[in-house]
Amino acid sequence: DTGVSQNPRHKITKRGQNVTFRCDPISEHNRLYWYRQTLGQGPEFLTYFQNEAQLEKSRLLSDRFSAERPKGSFSTLEIQRTEQGDSAMYLCASSSSGVLYEQYFGPGTRLTVT
Amino acid sequence: AQSVAQPEDQVNVAEGNPLTVKCTYSVSGNPYLFWYVQYPNRGLQFLLKYITGDNLVKGSYGFEAEFNKSQTSFHLKKPSALVSDSALYFCAVRDGQGAQKLVFGQGTRLTINP
Repeated sequence: DTGVSQNPRHKITKRGQNVTFRCDPISEHNRLYWYRQTLGQGPEFLTYFQNEAQLEKSRLLSDRFSAERPKGSFSTLEIQRTEQGDSAMYLCASSSSGVLYEQYFGPGTRLTVT
Repeated sequence: AQSVAQPEDQVNVAEGNPLTVKCTYSVSGNPYLFWYVQYPNRGLQFLLKYITGDNLVKGSYGFEAEFNKSQTSFHLKKPSALVSDSALYFCAVRDGQGAQKLVFGQGTRLTINP
C-alpha cells in the first residue's frame, strides 16, 4: 500500500523534552499538510508545504514547533520543550496540487506529554 | 474566514434505516466541501467531495451527500445503514479563493444499532 505513513504511531514524553515526528506522503503528491486533533474535536490545520516550500503556517504553530520538508518528499514536525497542552493526535495528509484534489491522511502520531 | 458546523454531536440509527449526518458551512467564495470518516485509533478516510456540478454527490461505501447552496448545507446520507458505518464523521470545507487548508467541523458520532 502506498498511502501516507507516519512514525512513530505513539510517543510518550516528559514535559520539557523535544520530540520529532515523521510523515511520508503518497509519492506522487507534491503537497503535504500537518494537522492537530485533540479529543472530541475536528483536526486543526498547522502548516502545509508545496514541494519543499512551507507556504502557510497557522497561529497554532508556536515558535516551539518547526516543520521541514527538505527534499520535497518526507516531512518532519518537531516540538521543542513539550508542554502538557501539546498532547494530541498529529495528523499528516498529502494531495496533488490544485483545489480540486482531496487530501489523504495518515494514521497519525498520538503524543502524550506527562 | 471559512467555517463548518455539525449541529449534532451524536446520531443513532437502527440498522437498515436511512441515515443523515448534517453539515452547514460558511465561506467567502465558492465552497469546496468534503466528508471524512474516522474509525478508532485511525486517521481520516476520504468519503466524498463537492467541487461543482451535480448537487448530489456519490462517494465510497454507499454514502452520498447533497449540496444545497441556498441553505449552505452539505448533509451526508445513506439509504440503508450498516452496523459497520458506526464511526466519527467530519465535514470539511476549503474556500475556493485559493486557501489550501481544510477547516473541519467538530464531528458527529454515528452509531448504528443492530
